Amino acid sequence: EVQLVESGGGLVQPGRSLRLSCTASGFSFGDYAMNWVRQAPGKGLEWVALIRSKAYGGTTEYAASVKGRFSITRDDSKNFAYLQVNSLKTEDTAVYYCTRVRLGCGGGSCYSDSWGQGTLVTVSS
Amino acid sequence: DIQMTQSPSTLSASVGDRVTITCRASQSISKWLAWYQQKPGKAPTLLIYGASSLESGVPSRFSGSGSGTEFTLTISSLHPDDFATYHCQQYDALPLTFGGGTKVEIK
Repeated sequence: EVQLVESGGGLVQPGRSLRLSCTASGFSFGDYAMNWVRQAPGKGLEWVALIRSKAYGGTTEYAASVKGRFSITRDDSKNFAYLQVNSLKTEDTAVYYCTRVRLGCGGGSCYSDSWGQGTLVTVSS
Repeated sequence: DIQMTQSPSTLSASVGDRVTITCRASQSISKWLAWYQQKPGKAPTLLIYGASSLESGVPSRFSGSGSGTEFTLTISSLHPDDFATYHCQQYDALPLTFGGGTKVEIK
């Protein structure tokens, strides 16, 4: 069974940092691109970042709203994906979901076929 | 960026009703559209990809259609378990973008 479990969220002051983690199980993690998608309270979904599999260079992409502040990485030996979130703003308050990109989508511009349960990040003074 | 617009934002319906949700893209995305269902406090789950392909395990009362800029998600006969929020997402190009969501509530 595919499982994605996020952790690392919490209450943080503006300007501070957090590292979100996503542990994966039930599939060959290294073969898949991974996304982070967020959802502000009562709002819609917003794609945040993508990391491709090593087969596609392990390259990364970011939404304009987080580029330069957030960093997505992966550790295929441990089946983990991470999102380092720096210089947090109140508008970054959201549930952050780790998602698996459907295999075979090539470069990663694709849909998500599995989602974690999410981790809540609250940015407030 | 490709803008995705869903309508309606809220839909009131009864068990057994046929329900249609529309998603429009600001430019052609061919068939690169997915639909997700989200229940309160839960993560989204994939329903449809490629505009009309049903994800494994999803009931056949769900169907998707469309191409280019206009897409629909249809629930042929609403079940009690279907009251939820539905999101469309384009994957023709980065950044991936989602519609604002359609909440299907009990009439």
